[in-house]
Amino acid sequence: ILNVEQSPQSLHVQEGDSTNFTCSFPSSNFYALHWYRWETAKSPEALFVMTLNGDEKKKGRISATLNTKEGYSYLYIKGSQPEDSATYLCAPEGRGNKLTFGTGTQLKVEL
Amino acid sequence: DSGVTQTPKHLITATGQRVTLRCSPRSGDLSVYWYQQSLDQGLQFLIQYYNGEERAKGNILERFSAQQFPDLHSELNLSSLELGDSALYFCASSVGVGVGENIQYFGAGTRLSVL
Repeated sequence: ILNVEQSPQSLHVQEGDSTNFTCSFPSSNFYALHWYRWETAKSPEALFVMTLNGDEKKKGRISATLNTKEGYSYLYIKGSQPEDSATYLCAPEGRGNKLTFGTGTQLKVEL
Repeated sequence: DSGVTQTPKHLITATGQRVTLRCSPRSGDLSVYWYQQSLDQGLQFLIQYYNGEERAKGNILERFSAQQFPDLHSELNLSSLELGDSALYFCASSVGVGVGENIQYFGAGTRLSVL
């Protein structure tokens, strides 16, 4: 069982602020790291999948990095907008494609 | 719209009953996953099917079972329901099972209320 920790648990920022979250996971039995975005009353939406140490992925104002040796990933949002408000989940993928989701970082972007 | 269809959206039933949740994956996806989200809990992986065969199991109770049919749709059967089974049940699908093929697309979920 993979133990996944995400921090902070919640975050309030002002529109235009840049922010970042952390996902920590055991580095053994690791195959890939997934990030999902989950808006209230909707279903989780895939953002990134990263597999290699040092991987960096970018999608618009959102980017992510991966360190498999020390077992962490960062998600960055540049110039936060109200529509970025959501819960951001990370999920390491272990053997057999099992995703173990963290409890997420809840982001609220205020005007 | 993720392309994954779950029915019904809401289900209200009584303790001891049995229900079936249905999921149609995205066109072309062979792998289906079931998750449970209870109050104050994160997404908990229940079970995965790939092309009709069970591939991985999470903390799925013995009262719960699932299957994937030849047309690739899947059903999750929950029996002898208890109050604690009240939760949001998600289905997700992915293209395959290789690393990098496992981006999962989630349905809108079925909210089960056991009274």
